Amino acid sequence: EIVMTQSPATLSVSPGERATLSCRASQSVSSNLAWYQQKPGQAPRLLISGASTRATGIPARFSGSGSGTEFTLTISSLQSEDFAVYYCQQYNNWPPVTFGQGTRLEIK
Amino acid sequence: QVQLQESGPGLVKPSGTLSLTCAVSGGSISSNNWWSWVRQPPGKGLEWIGEIFHSGSTNYNPSLKSRVTLSVDKSKNQFSLKLSSVTAADTAVYYCARDDGGWRYFDCWGQGTLVTVSS
Repeated sequence: EIVMTQSPATLSVSPGERATLSCRASQSVSSNLAWYQQKPGQAPRLLISGASTRATGIPARFSGSGSGTEFTLTISSLQSEDFAVYYCQQYNNWPPVTFGQGTRLEIK
Repeated sequence: QVQLQESGPGLVKPSGTLSLTCAVSGGSISSNNWWSWVRQPPGKGLEWIGEIFHSGSTNYNPSLKSRVTLSVDKSKNQFSLKLSSVTAADTAVYYCARDDGGWRYFDCWGQGTLVTVSS
């Protein structure tokens, strides 16, 4: 099973600033990496697939990069609605697909 | 657009069987998608449980495989989860989700349903 590790666990950023979230895989997952946003009481929402392809309707301020074992989600110019928990997920080797433990993005 | 809706008992007794159904609307369960269950214990992260194709083919998380059964009912456009021998550790919000045409990330999710295991 591939273990996904996200850092930091909590990130405090001011509105309007840039946030950089990291995800590391225990072995190469190529570019088969997705990012999700989850707000309290809601289901996860797909943001990024293929490490860098934004899902339909996702604003351009969200961008993903990386391949192999190291990945980054960048949110430029944070908006109030962006404060949430973010998860990465690998789908290169399954079963099982596996998720990171999440990064909580909070208002500074 | 496709919508998913989970349903089932919100309370299950220890050692019992958790049973949930996911109704698919706005699309066909016989499309080229795999249909998954994902769970999230309160305050914790996401865990993939397993997936099913409309043909009945399944894949399970090895950590749960001995206790999980997935099934599909094409006539009702829905799929189901059974998890046996439950304990308090199985208390979670259970989500059903759809993959993206065989790529095992999830572009459509149900709203989730909380299942509590307690006597």
